Amino acid sequence: EAGVTQFPSHSVIEKGQTVTLRCDPISGHDNLYWYRRVMGKEIKFLLHFVKESKQDESGMPNNRFLAERTGGTYSTLKVQPAELEDSGVYFCASSQWGEANEKLFFGSGTQLSVL
Amino acid sequence: KNEVEQSPQNLTAQEGEFITINCSYSVGISALHWLQQHPGGGIVSLFMLSSGKKKHGRLIATINIQEKHSSLHITASHPRDSAVYICAVSSGGSQGNLIFGKGTKLSVKP
Repeated sequence: EAGVTQFPSHSVIEKGQTVTLRCDPISGHDNLYWYRRVMGKEIKFLLHFVKESKQDESGMPNNRFLAERTGGTYSTLKVQPAELEDSGVYFCASSQWGEANEKLFFGSGTQLSVL
Repeated sequence: KNEVEQSPQNLTAQEGEFITINCSYSVGISALHWLQQHPGGGIVSLFMLSSGKKKHGRLIATINIQEKHSSLHITASHPRDSAVYICAVSSGGSQGNLIFGKGTKLSVKP
């Protein structure tokens, strides 16, 4: 069974450009989460999808970030326009809905560098 | 002050040693997660617990809800245990809406 996959693994862009990160969760997982770690800081929660619906987007930093999960399968996180402080590692995780012990499965992350 | 504090930040041990990593939190939680991240790799969920103790192989996780404290123990440590260990808590909202600690970097020398 394939795990959670993220693409690209690395992205280097210039300030003001647009970048789109993709996350493919484990097949059948309704929950999908995005997280971010900026250098030197702890990982922070960004948002949570249940299928195609945004359940909780309390961690999204500002309106330059747009997350979608059309069809309830893979998700994209778009940053437009990117700023220097957006640099960091973006992680995605998925889990099955409704399990009492909801184990999270993480991807390897996308390293984003905004120059 | 972070809502989730881990200690120590860095830990070097000799192969075979018993290792303890601590996590204290200041918020009410529904669950606590211990995660492992190898250099250049993704994050792996080791444990999710809301009370008591869990064991998996050489790893043991305990939690004391009254004291708002959890520990991760590694028995008979091995160089392959070298990784960053991260404590994270679910505090309201969904299980995956986590507050993370900064992590403990463990290096086990042969």
